Amino acid sequence: DGGITQSPKYLFRKEGQNVTLSCEQNLNHDAMYWYRQDPGQGLRLIYYSQIVNDFQKGDIAEGYSVSREKKESFPLTVTSAQKNPTAFYLCASSGLAGESSYNEQFFGPGTRLTVL
Amino acid sequence: QKEVEQNSGPLSVPEGAIASLNCTYSDRVSQSFFWYRQYSGKSPELIMSIYSNGDKEDGRFTAQLNKASQYVSLLIRDSQPSDSATYLCAVNPLRGGYNKLIFGAGTRLAVHP
Repeated sequence: DGGITQSPKYLFRKEGQNVTLSCEQNLNHDAMYWYRQDPGQGLRLIYYSQIVNDFQKGDIAEGYSVSREKKESFPLTVTSAQKNPTAFYLCASSGLAGESSYNEQFFGPGTRLTVL
Repeated sequence: QKEVEQNSGPLSVPEGAIASLNCTYSDRVSQSFFWYRQYSGKSPELIMSIYSNGDKEDGRFTAQLNKASQYVSLLIRDSQPSDSATYLCAVNPLRGGYNKLIFGAGTRLAVHP
């Protein structure tokens, strides 16, 4: 089955801790994305990557870091510099821009992060 | 002005009725438009994509796009209680050749028996 997996489903972080959220896809998609969703709000883009070893900041990158060492994987680290990290984190993937059907982004099941 | 605007709802419709969800966007050069359905506590699921003016139908769903008015809508015919969810409108302005989506805050739909 092709799809996007995220782990863990729930994560609890203490103040001052860095935590890493996993995202893996087997859809052979070139592009991957991380979004954050807060209650009653739309999705906000944290980071995105169109190719291995390259990524760009989204609208709310401060306090987050990513890596893209493999096409299939795009882990997100929430650092202690992120002051309000409690949120629902969503990973997505797509083909590259330019082909209309490749613009479609598909989401993983999400990770719910809570700061204790 | 928000880049993508939706009425937050809730939009309440009786079972069997047509639900009409609306979305406006500010970037006139936007090229791709999407509707996602999100059940409470779950991730968004793509249900419709539309790229050219007019209507696109898929089962009980019809997406309508009017680029001149910067307006995209989703109609759900024969609404069912299982359609109760938040519907997110997303727009891809294709700035700089990047495939980035801008999301509205979503409209909550409640279908009552």
